[in-house]
Amino acid sequence: EPEVTQTPSHQVTQMGQEVILRCVPISNHLYFYWYRQILGQKVEFLVSFYNNEISEKSEIFDDQFSVERPDGSNFTLKIRSTKLEDSAMYFCASLEQRGEQFFGPGTRLTVL
Amino acid sequence: DAKTTQPTSMDCAEGRAANLPCNHSTISGNEYVYWYRQIHSQGPQYIIHGLKNNETNEMASLIITEDRKSSTLILPHATLRDTAVYYCIVTEGRGAQKLVFGQGTRLTINP
Repeated sequence: EPEVTQTPSHQVTQMGQEVILRCVPISNHLYFYWYRQILGQKVEFLVSFYNNEISEKSEIFDDQFSVERPDGSNFTLKIRSTKLEDSAMYFCASLEQRGEQFFGPGTRLTVL
Repeated sequence: DAKTTQPTSMDCAEGRAANLPCNHSTISGNEYVYWYRQIHSQGPQYIIHGLKNNETNEMASLIITEDRKSSTLILPHATLRDTAVYYCIVTEGRGAQKLVFGQGTRLTINP
């Protein structure tokens, strides 16, 4: 069964450093998303991406964040200068056209 | 903000049916009711969705009231592996539309 994959599973970084979280969505899907979940809190939408551009972004997704689909398979989330409060689980999701979003297993980001 | 209201937690005995309620009184005509669950800190997992008719798949059944203002997710024979947080989400389900998660219901299946 096709699935969304994410790497790395755990990333530890120093405050102020740049991190890139990687996702490989399901191959025939057209819509891509990033969500995050701070420990003990609810899952929050960050950004949606379609046709090589951002469709919608939340107020969390400020200038420190960017997304890219550098080739036909990867979808990345970059945080330019990490802050302590960026520590969270980051989930990538993809959707074919309509219906259910498929989520990856997540990347746990720890900012020290 | 989430457009749904769910109980914070529920318990169910293993082997029994787990019935998880959800209120969505402001749902609009083109919005679907989706259910996802999250086991521990894993990525949310899709369970089922429906518009106005009751739906059943290999995981669960979804009962939507006639006025569509509430619904119930039914896990017919709950197992310990069904222990998770269950999220009821209303969305048009199309294209770039984001999912808005609430706090969900923490379902604990007891042996």
